[in-house]
Amino acid sequence: NAGVTQTPKFRVLKTGQSMTLLCAQDMNHEYMYWYRQDPGMGLRLIHYSVGEGTTAKGEVPDGYNVSRLKKQNFLLGLESAAPSQTSVYFCASRQGQGLGYTFGSGTRLTVV
Amino acid sequence: RKEVEQDPGPFNVPEGATVAFNCTYSNSASQSFFWYRQDCRKEPKLLMSVYSSGNEDGRFTAQLNRASQYISLLIRDSKLSDSATYLCVVNKPKAAGNKLTFGGGTRVLVKP
Repeated sequence: NAGVTQTPKFRVLKTGQSMTLLCAQDMNHEYMYWYRQDPGMGLRLIHYSVGEGTTAKGEVPDGYNVSRLKKQNFLLGLESAAPSQTSVYFCASRQGQGLGYTFGSGTRLTVV
Repeated sequence: RKEVEQDPGPFNVPEGATVAFNCTYSNSASQSFFWYRQDCRKEPKLLMSVYSSGNEDGRFTAQLNRASQYISLLIRDSKLSDSATYLCVVNKPKAAGNKLTFGGGTRVLVKP
């Protein structure tokens, strides 16, 4: 089925470790986004991309990096994980104005 | 003032009853409006777009009131499976990256 696929679904990291979250979409969408969701905080935008080879900062970019080398993939990296990065991470894509987001199923990350 | 505001609830609804709730938005130039549904520990899923003339999808009716800058969602004949958090989503005009702004969500609990 067409959509947004996130890997991995779950991960436990130790403080200071690094990891990369992968988001892949097969809908040929231009725009892609990474959000985190914490209890009582709602969805907060980390980084986004308006097309292949472009990235930009969202509301809470510190501690994260992103890359979009191919249109269908948007990678979120944590260089040195901290307990404050324990969260659920959602990737989303969007074709353009007037249309909503399609979300991936999320990655549940725990940093101990 | 938050860009998109929702009553967090919970709205406790007897099965079969009707429930309605609103979402206010601050930017009068917003053009795209959506309701998303999010189940516990799952990704948000598009429930319906909200059009100027209002729209209906089965038991769900969405309305837009531009003068007062709010959108509403009405659920008729509530089912147990309607229990979820409902997210109001609004576009941010001229925002870089075609970003959407999310409300904090309204929690609905349908009880037997």
